[in-house]
Amino acid sequence: AIQLTQSPSSLSASVGDRVTITCRASQGINSALAWYHHKPGKAPKLLIYDVSSLESGVPTRFSGSGSGTHFTLTISSLQPEDFATYYCQQLNSFPFTFGPGTTVDIK
Amino acid sequence: QVQLQESGPGLVRPSETLSLTCSVSDDSVSAANFYWNWIRQPPGRGLEWIGYIFYNGRTTYNPSLESRVTMSVDTSENKFSLKLRSVTAADTAIYYCARGDVVLPPTGPKFYGMDVWGQGTTVAVSS
Repeated sequence: AIQLTQSPSSLSASVGDRVTITCRASQGINSALAWYHHKPGKAPKLLIYDVSSLESGVPTRFSGSGSGTHFTLTISSLQPEDFATYYCQQLNSFPFTFGPGTTVDIK
Repeated sequence: QVQLQESGPGLVRPSETLSLTCSVSDDSVSAANFYWNWIRQPPGRGLEWIGYIFYNGRTTYNPSLESRVTMSVDTSENKFSLKLRSVTAADTAIYYCARGDVVLPPTGPKFYGMDVWGQGTTVAVSS
């Protein structure tokens, strides 16, 4: 199975900050990478698919980039509703796997 | 906007079978461009993909659970289901159903992210 690692595992930030989260895959996954935002008690929400495609309705402050085994999610200006856990997911090969998550909390 | 809703018992005894159903608010379960997933989150841990099913019943399961999992789909009722046999406390989790987009070129399926999720249902395994 393809292993995904995320860094950092957690971070503290303020409203308005620029935040970058990294996801690394244990082998190449082409462009089959998605990012999700997850709050306790809520359903995960798809933010980005295919590395850099913004899901419909997701604010443009979210962006994704990368290739091969190294990918990033950037939030250009953190908003109060963005404090949550972020997961990357690879859909290139079975089993589909998620990263361990990055928790973004309020500084 | 399509909605998904999980249902099933909140408590299952060890060694028994966990059975959950995901009801889909429209008839997109019959569409070839979607795949239907089960994902779970044990307490204090991250997300684990259990498997998916297509409208035609084709399935792919996570090898870590494959020996205990069966998924099925009922397109006439707009729902799909999960059965997990011989459960233990390690199967205690929030279980989510989710829809994903897929395209099917001749070279093989390309899967996109899971864009619609149910709210999740908590299942505890305990005697």
